[in-house]
Amino acid sequence: DIQMTQSPSTLSASVGDRVTITCRASQSISRWLAWYQQKPGKAPKLLIDKASSLQNGVPSRFSGSGSGTEFTLTISSLQPDDFATYYCQQYNSYSTFGQGTKVET
Amino acid sequence: DVQLVESGGGLVQSGGSLRLSCVASGFTLTNYEMIWVRQAPGKGFEYLSYISISGSHTEYPDSVKGRFTISRDSAKNSVYLQMNSLRDEDTAIYYCTRRLPYGGYELWGQGTLVTVSS
Repeated sequence: DIQMTQSPSTLSASVGDRVTITCRASQSISRWLAWYQQKPGKAPKLLIDKASSLQNGVPSRFSGSGSGTEFTLTISSLQPDDFATYYCQQYNSYSTFGQGTKVET
Repeated sequence: DVQLVESGGGLVQSGGSLRLSCVASGFTLTNYEMIWVRQAPGKGFEYLSYISISGSHTEYPDSVKGRFTISRDSAKNSVYLQMNSLRDEDTAIYYCTRRLPYGGYELWGQGTLVTVSS
């Protein structure tokens, strides 16, 4: 099984900050990686697909990069609506998710 | 509106069975790969089952293989998850999702809560 490790688990930030979340795969997954945002009591929302492809309607302050085993999600200027938990997911082989990164104030 | 709506969750005793349903609206479910995922309370996500566009191919991780079965009904535009031999650790919110071609899960239902009690 491919393991996904996110860091940090919790991130304290303020509005306007640049935020970076890292996701590492236990083996190469090429660019078969997605990023999701989840708010309490809600289903996740797909932000980025295939490592760097921004989904329609997602603000351009979100970006993704990486390939192989190391990936990052960057929020260029954190907005009040961005306080949430973020998950990475590999879909190279079956699918596994990272444990999540909670972005809090 | 394009949406997925799950139902069928509830409280079940350990060793029991449940059948979850997911009705699609606004699109034809059989044009997409569909996947069930769950999230245990306060935890991350676990991939549970996959059904191909043709419906001829299904996948399960070892944790549920032999206990869970995915199926679909094109006439009802629905996908199902039959869950047998339920265990306490199966307690979670269960989500039905639609997959992008060779991609992530672009559409999620609101989820249905399954609670397994011994």
